[in-house]
Amino acid sequence: GENVEQHPSTLSVQEGDSAVIKCTYSDSASNYFPWYKQELGKRPQLIIDIRSNVGEKKDQRIAVTLNKTAKHFSLHITETQPEDSAVYFCAASEGSQGNLIFGKGTKLSVKP
Amino acid sequence: NAGVTQTPKFQVLKTGQSMTLQCAQDMNHEYMSWYRQDPGMGLRLIHYSVGAGITDQGEVPNGYNVSRSTTEDFPLRLLSAAPSQTSVYFCASSYSIFLDIEYFGPGTRLTVT
Repeated sequence: GENVEQHPSTLSVQEGDSAVIKCTYSDSASNYFPWYKQELGKRPQLIIDIRSNVGEKKDQRIAVTLNKTAKHFSLHITETQPEDSAVYFCAASEGSQGNLIFGKGTKLSVKP
Repeated sequence: NAGVTQTPKFQVLKTGQSMTLQCAQDMNHEYMSWYRQDPGMGLRLIHYSVGAGITDQGEVPNGYNVSRSTTEDFPLRLLSAAPSQTSVYFCASSYSIFLDIEYFGPGTRLTVT
């Protein structure tokens, strides 16, 4: 079955710097890759997603890149702000069926 | 729309007790699922349903039962609670299982003593 590895597990940056979180997956049939942000005590919320027919997608300060050959995808946050502090989860669909397999999460801390 | 709702928000059980975690959505979503979240483990799929009357097991189904008698509701039953089931449980829903966004409920924090 699908296996998703996420790195790093913790990340600390200064306000205004960029943050990059990377995930690898094992199932070459996976075709949907969402990213979720979870603030302390809250539910995970989708922040951006990418499908396998696209290499990059941007939404303001957030971007996701996908390399299907290497089976990895990354979340890029530019001009980080303290409110970006949260745990971020990547996920990959299990084959073409759609069940999501999640990475273990990255705790991002943005220091003012 | 209320979105995905879960009850209760918090629950404490003794080992061996049973209970049902409730999940409901009002978005007419076909796909619903239950995850558990443990520190350092991410979100792990327990059970899922692709429509009323259809359920299937996820990654960690042991000790849990589900049913889907209506499109709106997807309850999760703990048959005989164990301390290993102490976790935060999230229900989620999507328009369909195929390549779609999952909306999460607010979560239920369960402690089994």
